[in-house]
Amino acid sequence: GAGVSQSPRYKVTKRGQDVTLRCDPISSHATLYWYQQALGQGPEFLTYFNYEAQPDKSGLPSDRFSAERPEGSISTLTIQRTEQRDSAMYRCASSPLAGGPVGTQYFGPGTRLTVL
Amino acid sequence: AQSVTQLGSHVSVSEGALVLLRCNYSSSVPPYLFWYVQYPNQGLQLLLKYTSAATLVKGINGFEAEFKKSETSFHLTKPSAHMSDAAEYFCAVSDSGGSNYKLTFGKGTLLTVNP
Repeated sequence: GAGVSQSPRYKVTKRGQDVTLRCDPISSHATLYWYQQALGQGPEFLTYFNYEAQPDKSGLPSDRFSAERPEGSISTLTIQRTEQRDSAMYRCASSPLAGGPVGTQYFGPGTRLTVL
Repeated sequence: AQSVTQLGSHVSVSEGALVLLRCNYSSSVPPYLFWYVQYPNQGLQLLLKYTSAATLVKGINGFEAEFKKSETSFHLTKPSAHMSDAAEYFCAVSDSGGSNYKLTFGKGTLLTVNP
């Protein structure tokens, strides 16, 4: 596609429910990143993929968070048993290169998650 | 560990005035540095990046930033503000080593441009 797309753009859920967020990166981009942005803060790294491999999960806040990219393109971020503190903007970015040199990260519009 | 500090969560300038948004970083290895801009209801857009070439980096929309290692700074400037520059600006740092170029962001600076 022309840019990174994310769906849904807005999600309201009740505490305890599971949610799945989707990211569709720019075609052929090797690397995909997930970030979490709380209100009034900058984005914080959650995890990333090189194609379907997930070398770094260090930013995932708890084992309730998981991400997949099974075919090396579309990725999903799942939050199980949501809590109010999970309310945030979830941003996805893709980059054309796997490894070095550094490539520009292209960001999607984000998914605004609200947990009631 | 890397970190970014953006001084001033809100900066207000008059149209035509100089824009200066401050960013200081902390990194144990030579950093890559970035400025991103966020317009309402849009994704983050790259303004410019420093990747160890020229220390003065020019970006889109007339913005530029200078990498100063001695001051651990990467301030963003524009000589003359335009109304369309009103947005939130984020400074970010990335590790130049390894293969994970995850970004560590500052908290952002909201730029308001007054007519």
